[in-house]
Amino acid sequence: DTGVSQDPRHKITKRGQNVTFRCDPISEHNRLYWYRQTLGQGPEFLTYFQNEAQLEKSRLLSDRFSAERPKGSFSTLEIQRTEQGDSAMYLCASSSRMRPSGEQETQYFGPGTRLLVL
Amino acid sequence: AQKITQTQPGMFVQEKEAVTLDCTYDTSDQSYGLFWYKQPSSGEMIFLIYQGSYDEQNATEGRYSLNFQKARKSANLVISASQLGDSAMYFCAMRGYHQFYFGTGTSLTVIP
Repeated sequence: DTGVSQDPRHKITKRGQNVTFRCDPISEHNRLYWYRQTLGQGPEFLTYFQNEAQLEKSRLLSDRFSAERPKGSFSTLEIQRTEQGDSAMYLCASSSRMRPSGEQETQYFGPGTRLLVL
Repeated sequence: AQKITQTQPGMFVQEKEAVTLDCTYDTSDQSYGLFWYKQPSSGEMIFLIYQGSYDEQNATEGRYSLNFQKARKSANLVISASQLGDSAMYFCAMRGYHQFYFGTGTSLTVIP
């Protein structure tokens, strides 16, 4: 297994354009997370999938953001009508439940997609 | 509400010395997990170590150990015998119900 992969690694777009990022999790992992990270900050949670179900969305996730995981495998994150404030690193992570209570759920991150909105 | 606090924006350590990176957390959950991640300049988040709230012993993974003080709600990372490759950002994180909470990170620089 090669770990979590993300595509593209870098994206430059003009304000107002739509962008879509893809994440391929570790194959046996049923949980998938999206985060946004800006310079000097830790990752901020955006959304979470268990299999194909989107179970949690952050208030940070405005109507312009949408995420899907149609078959419970790869996931896409789309940003519509991009704004300069959307410039950030977008990280994907996957995990599987280790214990019934779930506290030992270790996330493994992909390399991220760095977005720059001009 | 869950919260992770890392009060050291930057730290310096001499090569081969040990260094402690501080992390405090706030949660009302009885059961939780605490994690440390390393983020080099390349950007990828690398899992280092995990501590469960019910684990009685401090976690260790090679040169990394986690000094867990439950009553003080602290989960400090200790790196022994620092190496130049340890220079990176380090993030403390806690697992919540359906998400993970991260601190703002500590930038560690190892000096030759």
